[in-house]
Amino acid sequence: GNSVTQMEGPVTLSEEAFLTINCTYTATGYPSLFWYVQYPGEGLQLLLKATKADDKGSNKGFEATYRKETTSFHLEKGSVQVSDSAVYFCALRFSGYSTLTFGKGTMLLVSP
Amino acid sequence: ETGVTQTPRHLVMGMTNKKSLKCEQHLGHNAMYWYKQSAKKPLELMFVYSLEERVENNSVPSRFSPECPNSSHLFLHLHTLQPEDSALYLCASSQAGTGGTYEQYFGPGTRLTVT
Repeated sequence: GNSVTQMEGPVTLSEEAFLTINCTYTATGYPSLFWYVQYPGEGLQLLLKATKADDKGSNKGFEATYRKETTSFHLEKGSVQVSDSAVYFCALRFSGYSTLTFGKGTMLLVSP
Repeated sequence: ETGVTQTPRHLVMGMTNKKSLKCEQHLGHNAMYWYKQSAKKPLELMFVYSLEERVENNSVPSRFSPECPNSSHLFLHLHTLQPEDSALYLCASSQAGTGGTYEQYFGPGTRLTVT
């Protein structure tokens, strides 16, 4: 079956540090890949997505590149802010079918 | 109201109670979803409704009963729950159809505690 594996959290960083959250997937075929973010007390929000190999999704300074050869979609940001503290979820979905498969989520804590 | 709303935001219930969770979407979507979010586990998809028809039911115990009276409203009826059912229950909506990738928009969730 399809699955998504994320690095264990929490990830603790100081403001302006570089962020990487690893995500790898197992799937039959070539899914679309997503990063969602969940701020405290809120639901999930779509952060970025990529629909095919070598696509780069980006939003709010975050980036992730769809790597078919390593089945990965790692999330990066060059300089994190305290307001980026949240839980980040990697997910996949096949085109034309709307069910998402999520990873367990990675909590990011950024201190001033 | 805009987006996806859920009520109540918090619910505490005993194992013999019956309660319902409500979700409403104001986005004109035609598909709605219930997810369960437990600590240290991936989000679990529970039910999917597309055009008011249940199209997916992921082996959810019968003590959870969904209802989708129209494309804007989704309910989750709860009865005789167990303590392990305590979790955050998230509702989402999207457009659904063949082809394309349709983003799901999530509500803030209902934090359920079963005592």
